Amino acid sequence: AQKVTQAQTEISVVEKEDVTLDCVYETRDTTYYLFWYKQPPSGELVFLIRRNSFDEQNEISGRYSWNFQKSTSSFNFTITASQVVDSAVYFCALRAGNTPLVFGKGTRLSVIA
Amino acid sequence: KAGVTQTPRYLIKTRGQQVTLSCSPISGHRSVSWYQQTPGQGLQFLFEYFSETQRNKGNFPGRFSGRQFSNSRSEMNVSTLELGDSALYLCASSLEDRGNPTFGSGTRLTVV
Repeated sequence: AQKVTQAQTEISVVEKEDVTLDCVYETRDTTYYLFWYKQPPSGELVFLIRRNSFDEQNEISGRYSWNFQKSTSSFNFTITASQVVDSAVYFCALRAGNTPLVFGKGTRLSVIA
Repeated sequence: KAGVTQTPRYLIKTRGQQVTLSCSPISGHRSVSWYQQTPGQGLQFLFEYFSETQRNKGNFPGRFSGRQFSNSRSEMNVSTLELGDSALYLCASSLEDRGNPTFGSGTRLTVV
């Protein structure tokens, strides 16, 4: 069975601080995909990144970066110099084999001005 | 390019009633999936359709059903509503089977 754990329920930081959101996954499949989504108050899940299990290269996109480590089954997300607009709930998700997306419980990030 | 459109955005129903939610995928997308989001259970998978065929079904009672039409639009139906069905229902579409899902803004259902 597939499982995603986001141990941090809520995080609060002051603007311009860096923050890392943790994601640990479980799967027996060797081929799988990992995702991060952002959910602002409007409710829509906004796609941020997809990583496949064969690509362990870290990714940087502006202030966002992702660290994928198969050895620890982790796919952590870092926001550098956080801004108030980053306040949202962030979800990590896993898709493996023929199963649908499995989501973690989410981490609510509050960035205070 | 229009995104995933879900209608209605908000809905209030009474226990025992039934409800139909609609999802129009991005043009050209043939895969549609549905999720239920509640504060307690988080995001839970309901159904997944590809070219009108149900590919996967989540662990929900038979009161929850869905379908996909030839134009890829999808509907889900919940019969005999219960208070616990109150949730945000999210639809996602993707271009190919099990591709990158793009989510709609959801339908917030309140059962009273």
